Amino acid sequence: AQSVAQPEDQVNVAEGNPLTVKCTYSVSGNPYLFWYVQYPNRGLQFLLKYITGDNLVKGSYGFEAEFNKSQTSFHLKKPSALVSDSALYFCAVRDGTGGFKTIFGAGTRLFVKA
Amino acid sequence: NAGVTQTPKFQVLKTGQSMTLQCAQDMNHEYMSWYRQDPGMGLRLIHYSVGAGITDQGEVPNGYNVSRSTTEDFPLRLLSAAPSQTSVYFCASSYDLPEGNTIYFGEGSWLTVV
Repeated sequence: AQSVAQPEDQVNVAEGNPLTVKCTYSVSGNPYLFWYVQYPNRGLQFLLKYITGDNLVKGSYGFEAEFNKSQTSFHLKKPSALVSDSALYFCAVRDGTGGFKTIFGAGTRLFVKA
Repeated sequence: NAGVTQTPKFQVLKTGQSMTLQCAQDMNHEYMSWYRQDPGMGLRLIHYSVGAGITDQGEVPNGYNVSRSTTEDFPLRLLSAAPSQTSVYFCASSYDLPEGNTIYFGEGSWLTVV
């Protein structure tokens, strides 16, 4: 069965500093990995995905994520945080064996302080 | 583009009442799903469908029914509402592309069961 863990409920960072939001996963076969962002009272929006190829994936709004197969991790990163990045971030995984189910983590709330 | 449309946006039910959350997408996506979002629990998959006439259970299916008579529509039925079903519900859809699917979410339906 698929599972996703986001070990931090909340991440606090000062504006201009780098940020990392952590995600680890468990899945059969090769994983399809995703990051989504949710702003207050809205649906989730796609940020980036890893399917295959380069372990460093670049996405929307300057975010990137690094896939590490040996550590089964897919951490979200940004070199310089903005106050407007403050939101709820979800990691998600879909198994690569042909299944359709996409499972989400519990979410990490990011606070960027000016 | 309408994308994924959910109705109603807000609903208050009494315990034991039934209701249907409507979901429609205009992107000709094969895959549709329903999630519920609860504080600290992230998004949990209720039911999903890989095409018209095909549905399957997710992580938390009890108390909910779904059907998929057309590609566009995927309603979620609460048969006898319980306070534990107070939550925010998100409908989602995606293609199944070889390179992996990006999920598109509706704006959410806030349900309170009293």
